[in-house]
Amino acid sequence: GESVGLHLPTLSVQEGDNSIINCAYSNSASDYFIWYKQESGKGPQFIIDIRSNMDKRQGQRVTVLLNKTVKHLSLQIAATQPGDSAVYFCAENMGSSGGYQKVTFGTGTKLQVIP
Amino acid sequence: DVKVTQSSRYLVKRTGEKVFLECVQDMDHENMFWYRQDPGLGLRLIYFSYDVKMKEKGDIPEGYSVSREKKERFSLILESASTNQTSMYLCASSRSGPTRETQYFGPGTRLLVL
Repeated sequence: GESVGLHLPTLSVQEGDNSIINCAYSNSASDYFIWYKQESGKGPQFIIDIRSNMDKRQGQRVTVLLNKTVKHLSLQIAATQPGDSAVYFCAENMGSSGGYQKVTFGTGTKLQVIP
Repeated sequence: DVKVTQSSRYLVKRTGEKVFLECVQDMDHENMFWYRQDPGLGLRLIYFSYDVKMKEKGDIPEGYSVSREKKERFSLILESASTNQTSMYLCASSRSGPTRETQYFGPGTRLLVL
């Protein structure tokens, strides 16, 4: 079946380095993608989103890249800080299904920042 | 900013008990959702609601029911709690409309069923 997945379950980076977290999706009908950050014991927090008519979107220290040709999504975090340590997961919006915009969530990648 | 609150951060219940999880959002969102989150499985949709008194089954509705009497409040009910319902429960809300809308999450309720 179609799914949203992440290539690396755990990513360790040195403080100050850039982080790249990847996500593969398989539903070509998906047209909206979101990255969430979830700190330990907390609910997911919206980071950044991108629509399928875009290839790149930048926020504060974060950039999301979308490659529709290979159905790949990535989250880049610049100058990674200890506060960035969390689980990051992507979500794809596959459009309406019975009045509801069906969203599928990935299982997440744990980012560990080494001081 | 969107604020989604959940009534409890941690709950411990016994098998067979009736459990109520409450969720409130303050952004006048039409859509509300209940998910459970388990290690290695990601977020799985239990129920959602796109209007007051409206509810729809998600991917894993068995053993759960919901109630939406007011727009801002969405309750998840475990009629008879079982140990396999031990999990992290997340509530979310979003606007309704023709464009894709982001779901905003509450802090979660970690439920332990003994």
